[in-house]
Order: sequence, then C-alpha cells, then structure tokens
Amino acid sequence: NAGVTQTPKFHILKIGQSMTLQCTQDMNHNYMYWYRQDPGMGLKLIYYSVGAGITDKGEVPNGYNVSRSTTEDFPLRLELAAPSQTSVYFCASTPIGFGNTEAFFGQGTRLTVV
Amino acid sequence: AQTVTQSQPEMSVQEAETVTLSCTYDTSESDYYLFWYKQPPSRQMILVIRQEAYKQQNATENRFSVNFQKAAKSFSLKISDSQLGDAAMYFCAYRGVSGATNKLIFGTGTLLAVQP
Repeated sequence: NAGVTQTPKFHILKIGQSMTLQCTQDMNHNYMYWYRQDPGMGLKLIYYSVGAGITDKGEVPNGYNVSRSTTEDFPLRLELAAPSQTSVYFCASTPIGFGNTEAFFGQGTRLTVV
Repeated sequence: AQTVTQSQPEMSVQEAETVTLSCTYDTSESDYYLFWYKQPPSRQMILVIRQEAYKQQNATENRFSVNFQKAAKSFSLKISDSQLGDAAMYFCAYRGVSGATNKLIFGTGTLLAVQP
C-alpha cells in the first residue's frame, strides 16, 4: 500500500517556467489537499478537492491551478513560476465524511525557483 | 474563517522531562476536530493525537496527552518522559464539519528540541 505519492521530490525551476507537481493516492480517498510549507509559516492550504471533478481554493491559491479528473490523482500546476513560490509542497488525502480521520501526507516536493 | 495559532516557535526540554506545547484556535462552529502532527527532519507528517470537540474527556496516546479547553479554544499537547526521538516540528491542526470548513487548517508549528 503506497499511500500518497508525490513526484518529483526535488526540482529547480527557472523564473517564468511552468511545471506540474504530481500527486496520487491509492486509498480511494475522496478528499485531497495541496499545502505549501515555508519556514516559520506552517502549512498553508493552496487548493483542495472533495471528489473527482470538484476543486476549491484554499488560503493561498494565486499562481497555482489544480484539476481532479480521477479519485486517485490531484496534480498541482505552477504557471509562470516566481521566486515567491520557492517552498516545500505537500499533498495529502483523507476519506470522505470522517472529520477525525487521520490525513495521509506525501513525502513533499522541495521546489526552488531561480 | 477558522484560524490556528501556535505562539511558541521553539521549545526545549530535557530528556525524561515533561513539556507542554500550546495551541489556540478560533472558530464559530460547535463541532470540530483537533489534531497534533509531528514532522521530524525527514519531512514526514505523523499524526500524534486527535480530539473530537464534542468529547469532554481529553485524548491520550501513551506519553502524549492533550488539555482541551473548549470554552477557551485551547488545545495544548503534553509530552511526558520526553525522548530524543520526540525532537521534531509539531503542528496543531483544525478540521470543521461543514462543507465549507471540512478542510485541515494548520498552525505555524513549534520546533521542539530534546536535550540529552
């Protein structure tokens, strides 16, 4: 059981370039999330999805886009990368309807924009 | 909007001693869930303990326990008999129950150092 898998683990991106961070889970979870973690700032929610075809903005959505065509996959797209998007990105998932259920996290993607 | 505040950026404890990490939150909901997550240097996020707001009894998991004060909107984590492996970043998190709030919101974290 792989859980939540993120790729890549590390990446260096040039200013103005675009890229997609991949996230897939094999637990049939309906809820999926993207967070960014900056030093001293904790985890900020970028986007989340409550099921295939449904996405919504979190606290810091600007500069990002997401899609959810399947239950398993929730890619995060960075368009026109900026240095402010240098961060560690985490994908997470939870089952539907159980608020106290543990969230499962991927190992994170460390992204540097130069 | 719901917010989670951790006012202690860093804490230090001696091995075998007890330490308490603070967390406060703001919400207008009466039912919700609270969590403490641990993040060691490996970056992996590990659930430490969880609490349902409708339960008055404080949750405990071995050496970890919480002091949940619903009226004060406070949710502190107590680590007893601290071990070197407890050194990590600790995040407090909130999850509501309605459609608009049923997402996990984190505090800024507390970095715990354990001194031998």
